Amino acid sequence: EVQPVESGGGLVQPGGSLRLSCAASGFTFSSYTMTWVRQAPGKGLEWVSAISGSGGSTYYADSVKGRFTISRDNSKNTLYLQMNSLRAEDTAVYYCAKGVVGGSYSGFDYWGQGTLATVSS
Amino acid sequence: DIQMTQSPSSVSASVGDRVTITCRASQGISWLAWYQQKPGKAPKLLIYAASSLQSGVPSRFSGSGSGTDFTLSISSLQPEDFATYYCQQTNSFPLTFGGGTKVEIK
Repeated sequence: EVQPVESGGGLVQPGGSLRLSCAASGFTFSSYTMTWVRQAPGKGLEWVSAISGSGGSTYYADSVKGRFTISRDNSKNTLYLQMNSLRAEDTAVYYCAKGVVGGSYSGFDYWGQGTLATVSS
Repeated sequence: DIQMTQSPSSVSASVGDRVTITCRASQGISWLAWYQQKPGKAPKLLIYAASSLQSGVPSRFSGSGSGTDFTLSISSLQPEDFATYYCQQTNSFPLTFGGGTKVEIK
């Protein structure tokens, strides 16, 4: 069964860092693009970042560019999101998701349950 | 960046009704996805590439459109369809979501 599982969320002070992980199983991890999407409490979905299957191409929302870094370890079937210089507005549930078709970003079909990152003093 | 505008922001409907949700892009696109989200749950992919039905999704869901105007239609609303729906342009980075449409029970 395809199942991404996020971890690494928690409470952090403004200016601090968190590293989110997404462990994937049930598919050939290196063949698929992956993405991070977040949802602030009571708000809509916001795309955060995406990465190609090889990890050679990465993309970011303007709101996180320069502060967040997406990466993947295909030997461990794991996706990461390193979040630095965190702000209160980064407080959200963070979801990882798998690309629906091979190397494309045309949609994301399997999502994790989400991990909550709270930025507060 | 491509802005996505969904309408309406909410709709009240009854079981059996046909429901149509619109998503408008700020510039022409070819690639669009639709998702369903229920409270406390992760989004679920319904449609990708504007009109391709994701495997396992009931055929009462359909997507159409091109250029700047796209629609998600639910032909006969079922109790399990009451949820919030989001469009996402997947044409170019940064990928962007619409603001969401909440489908409520009338």
